[in-house]
Amino acid sequence: DGGITQSPKYLFRKEGQNVTLSCEQNLNHDAMYWYRQDPGQGLRLIYYSQIVNDFQKGDIAEGYSVSREKKESFPLTVTSAQKNPTAFYLCASGVEQFFGPGTRLTVL
Amino acid sequence: AQTVTQSQPEMSVQEAETVTLSCTYDTSENNYYLFWYKQPPSRQMILVIRQEAYKQQNATENRFSVNFQKAAKSFSLKISDSQLGDTAMYFCAFMKRYNDMRFGAGTRLTVKP
Repeated sequence: DGGITQSPKYLFRKEGQNVTLSCEQNLNHDAMYWYRQDPGQGLRLIYYSQIVNDFQKGDIAEGYSVSREKKESFPLTVTSAQKNPTAFYLCASGVEQFFGPGTRLTVL
Repeated sequence: AQTVTQSQPEMSVQEAETVTLSCTYDTSENNYYLFWYKQPPSRQMILVIRQEAYKQQNATENRFSVNFQKAAKSFSLKISDSQLGDTAMYFCAFMKRYNDMRFGAGTRLTVKP
């Protein structure tokens, strides 16, 4: 079955640590996206990639980094520079934005 | 920059009745896409319906339909024969060609039995 997966579902991080969120898709989509969702709010774009080895910053890229070495994979690293990383993170692929199930990141 | 406004933070509807969720957007672009997404308590984002700006005909998907008014920059979602499973957050979204998706703040819809 085609789809988009994110792991882990829940992630806990200590202050000062970098963490990497995984996003994998087997839908053969060129475009992939990372969003952040805070309680009671809509989604905000962190980074997007239209093709392998290329990506662009979204509205809130500071404190985050990405890579796109393979078409299927678009991992997001939340660095220690991100001041308020506790949020729900959603990955999507394709023009119609098929979404993964999300990762809930909590900073302890 | 494009902005998307959903003016109704919360709405409720009786089961089997019809409800309309509002969305307006601001853009200088002529070619773009508009979307409605549903986010149930599981937090999975589910595409409900999509509209291309160049198409004058309003999109429909079973019980879901839109009223797209390009000149007024309005994109409302009508849910007919509401079901308990329709209870969710609904997000309106705008996208230029293949990048730069913008979401509204969402409308929380509750379907009452």
